[in-house]
Amino acid sequence: NAGVMQNPRHLVRRRGQEARLRCSPMKGHSHVYWYRQLPEEGLKFMVYLQKENIIDESGMPKERFSAEFPKEGPSILRIQQVVRGDSAAYFCASSPSTVLNEKLFFGSGTQLSVL
Amino acid sequence: AQTVTQSQPEMSVQEAETVTLSCTYDTSENNYYLFWYKQPPSRQMILVIRQEAYKQQNATENRFSVNFQKAAKSFSLKISDSQLGDTAMYFCAFMKPDRGSQGNLIFGKGTKLSVKP
Repeated sequence: NAGVMQNPRHLVRRRGQEARLRCSPMKGHSHVYWYRQLPEEGLKFMVYLQKENIIDESGMPKERFSAEFPKEGPSILRIQQVVRGDSAAYFCASSPSTVLNEKLFFGSGTQLSVL
Repeated sequence: AQTVTQSQPEMSVQEAETVTLSCTYDTSENNYYLFWYKQPPSRQMILVIRQEAYKQQNATENRFSVNFQKAAKSFSLKISDSQLGDTAMYFCAFMKPDRGSQGNLIFGKGTKLSVKP
């Protein structure tokens, strides 16, 4: 009964490169959420996706960031032309339904370092 | 906009003792949800306890309990009989109870708790 799987655990990119972060939700979960954690900060909501749909992207930066959750395969958070300020831990969480107050199951995050 | 404030960046407690972590929040909503999450060195976020604002009774989960003061907008976490495995960052979080806010948790900056043997 695997939990939320994120890979890679660590990702190093040079400025201007692209970063792709993957998230496989728990089995049976169809809702995925991405969060970003800057050093010494709490997590900040970025985007909420269901299969093939973006439900809430109110926390996503307007440029360079995109997310998808295709019918098959993991959810992908894509950051184009990375800058040093993108260095952070990126967390994915999943839930099985839209019942509010539902427990979110978090992955262990991807630590992105931009050189 | 909602905000969550944790005023204690770091705390320490002796093993087997009790410690209370503070959290205050600001909202104009009458109904909402509050959470405490634990983040050990492994980095994974683990839900410790949650509280629904319309419930008067304070939530309890084994050694973890909350003191929810709605009028004061305060939501503190009490850890009894502290164990070495409780050493972690603890984050307080808020969520509005509408479908448009599904999964949109607002986190505080965290309190680093060290349990000493």
